[in-house]
Amino acid sequence: DGGITQSPKYLFRKEGQNVTLSCEQNLNHDAMYWYRQDPGQGLRLIYYSQIVNDFQKGDIAEGYSVSREKKESFPLTVTSAQKNPTAFYLCASRKGLAASSSYNEQFFGPGTRLTVL
Amino acid sequence: GNSVTQMEGPVTLSEEAFLTINCTYTATGYPSLFWYVQYPGEGLQLLLKATKADDKGSNKGFEATYRKETTSFHLEKGSVQVSDSAVYFCALSVGDNAGNMLTFGGGTRLMVKP
Repeated sequence: DGGITQSPKYLFRKEGQNVTLSCEQNLNHDAMYWYRQDPGQGLRLIYYSQIVNDFQKGDIAEGYSVSREKKESFPLTVTSAQKNPTAFYLCASRKGLAASSSYNEQFFGPGTRLTVL
Repeated sequence: GNSVTQMEGPVTLSEEAFLTINCTYTATGYPSLFWYVQYPGEGLQLLLKATKADDKGSNKGFEATYRKETTSFHLEKGSVQVSDSAVYFCALSVGDNAGNMLTFGGGTRLMVKP
C-alpha cells in the first residue's frame, strides 16, 4: 500500500537533547512538508522541500533542521534550541512541482507526538 | 497574504442533525479549497476539495461549494453520525506559491451525541 509513515508514534526527550523524527513516503511525491500542531490549534509550517537536496524554511523554522537526501525521506531534527518542542508533528507530501490544480492537495502521515520531560 | 477563518467550536449535535461549519478565506491569487478531517490522535485526511468557482466537492455525505462572490467554502452534511466526531480543518492553496503551500484555518471540533 502506498502512503506516508512517521516514526515513532510517541517520543520522549529530555531537555537539552536533539531528537530526529522520521518521515517516509512511497507515493513518488516530489514535495514534502513538516507541520507542528499544538493542542486545540491549527497547523503551522516548519520546513518544506520540493526536490532532493533542497528545502525552505516555513513560518516557525527556528530550532528545527531537515535534510532531503532521498526523494522518499524527509527527516526532521528538533534541536535543543527549540524552546517549547512538546507538540504533535505531522509530515505531508504532494505530487508534482508545477502549480497545477490537479496536484495541489497534500497527503498526511499519522503524526509523531513529542513530549519533553 | 492568505488566510482562512473557521467558526470556533466545539460544535455539539445530536445524531442525524444537520451540520454546517462555516469557512471564509482571503487569498492573493485564485485558490483551491479543501476540507481535511482529523480523528483523535491521527493525522489529517483529505475530505473534499474544489478548484474553481461554483465547484462542489463531496465525499462521505459531506459537501462544500466554492463561492467566489462570498469567499466561502462552508462544509455541510445532512445527517451526522457519531463516527463523524472529529476536528475539521478548512484550507486553501494558491497555485502560484513557490511551494504550493496550504494555509489552514484553526479547526472546528465536532462532537456528535447518540
